Amino acid sequence: DAGVTQSPTHLIKTRGQQVTLRCSPKSGHDTVSWYQQALGQGPQFIFQYYEEEERQRGNFPDRFSGHQFPNYSSELNVNALLLGDSALYLCASRFGENTIYFGEGSWLTVV
Amino acid sequence: QQQVKQSPQSLIVQKGGIPIINCAYENTAFDYFPWYQQFPGKGPALLIAIRPDVSEKKEGRFTISFNKSAKQFSLHIMDSQPGDSATYFCAARWGYGGATNKLIFGTGTLLAVQP
Repeated sequence: DAGVTQSPTHLIKTRGQQVTLRCSPKSGHDTVSWYQQALGQGPQFIFQYYEEEERQRGNFPDRFSGHQFPNYSSELNVNALLLGDSALYLCASRFGENTIYFGEGSWLTVV
Repeated sequence: QQQVKQSPQSLIVQKGGIPIINCAYENTAFDYFPWYQQFPGKGPALLIAIRPDVSEKKEGRFTISFNKSAKQFSLHIMDSQPGDSATYFCAARWGYGGATNKLIFGTGTLLAVQP
């Protein structure tokens, strides 16, 4: 058990809608990042949060936004959903210098 | 070039065999190289990781070999078991810009261990 919890585990949305995914990092972990994993592919880095600020962003449009709260938990928001946004969304947290743990993910289906 | 190349795409071994998965990178900005195991419907689970100043690391039945000059690293699974059947991803952490959670993943290797 990596200790990174995500919710919801599964959800279905309609094209054009908005979605919010939530993540609680492993206890003591202060850095949170989000990844998108399409079926049959490796995870792709969306962005990272540290000290409640977005520190770096991958190649994703502004429709993808996030937030980190003082307790280190985080949200991923996706606006104007497209069919291509259907994927497993993973949250990862880090403590110390190196070790990065992933949660079980939130499965998003856009219809 | 922020890319990690992984091979093979799939691998079948007999129980007790030693599957080997290979990865290669080009950019020396990568500073940490973890391997993840992923079962269907689950998130990636950290198996083992290595820094580029170390040539080999063993944890249980899993061994990483790292060749810094060739920019290649590989995962060996000793005495493989049917329960090891999963998708394995190599990754490399992008060390620039302070984004210490930015991992670049390989394309994955689907491993099947036959009884």
